[in-house]
Amino acid sequence: NAGVTQTPKFRVLKTGQSMTLLCAQDMNHEYMYWYRQDPGMGLRLIHYSVGEGTTAKGEVPDGYNVSRLKKQNFLLGLESAAPSQTSVYFCASSATGTGDYEQYFGPGTRLTVT
Amino acid sequence: GENVEQHPSTLSVQEGDSAVIKCTYSDSASNYFPWYKQELGKRPQLIIDIRSNVGEKKDQRIAVTLNKTAKHFSLHITETQPEDSAVYFCAASVSILTGGGNKLTFGTGTQLKVEL
Repeated sequence: NAGVTQTPKFRVLKTGQSMTLLCAQDMNHEYMYWYRQDPGMGLRLIHYSVGEGTTAKGEVPDGYNVSRLKKQNFLLGLESAAPSQTSVYFCASSATGTGDYEQYFGPGTRLTVT
Repeated sequence: GENVEQHPSTLSVQEGDSAVIKCTYSDSASNYFPWYKQELGKRPQLIIDIRSNVGEKKDQRIAVTLNKTAKHFSLHITETQPEDSAVYFCAASVSILTGGGNKLTFGTGTQLKVEL
């Protein structure tokens, strides 16, 4: 049981380049989330999904797009990277209907945009 | 939207002492309050959580209290140990849908250092 995994672990982009971050979970969770974490700040919610084929905006969605084509995967896309998107990105997932509200986090992706 | 404030930003205690971290939230509809511990370079990990229908919860050396009227909640760690050194985040959320799923709003974190 791998839990929540993220690829890649590290990435350096030039301004204007695009990339996709992949999050995968093997816990059959309905809910999945993308957060970013910047120094001195807590995690901030970018987008989330309540199930396969659905996505919704979080607190800081501008500059990002997401897709949930399969229940176990949640992709975060940056179409035209900007230095302000330099951050650590965490994916998380949580169950539904079990009374367990815990969000399980992946190991993170450290992204630098130059 | 929800706003969560966390204090202090840094906390240094002697081993064996207690540590208290406090958070306030703004949205009276928030109903779930987790606390996460994050070690350097690692993912956040849940250490304890509380729901709005409960005033206090304890798990060994860790306890959380919630005051819904005042909209604040606190983390208490007793008999601190060096391995408790980490950044601690509080969060508050309103359920996305019934049965689970929460849009968490995090505090800015508290760097706890337990000194020998």
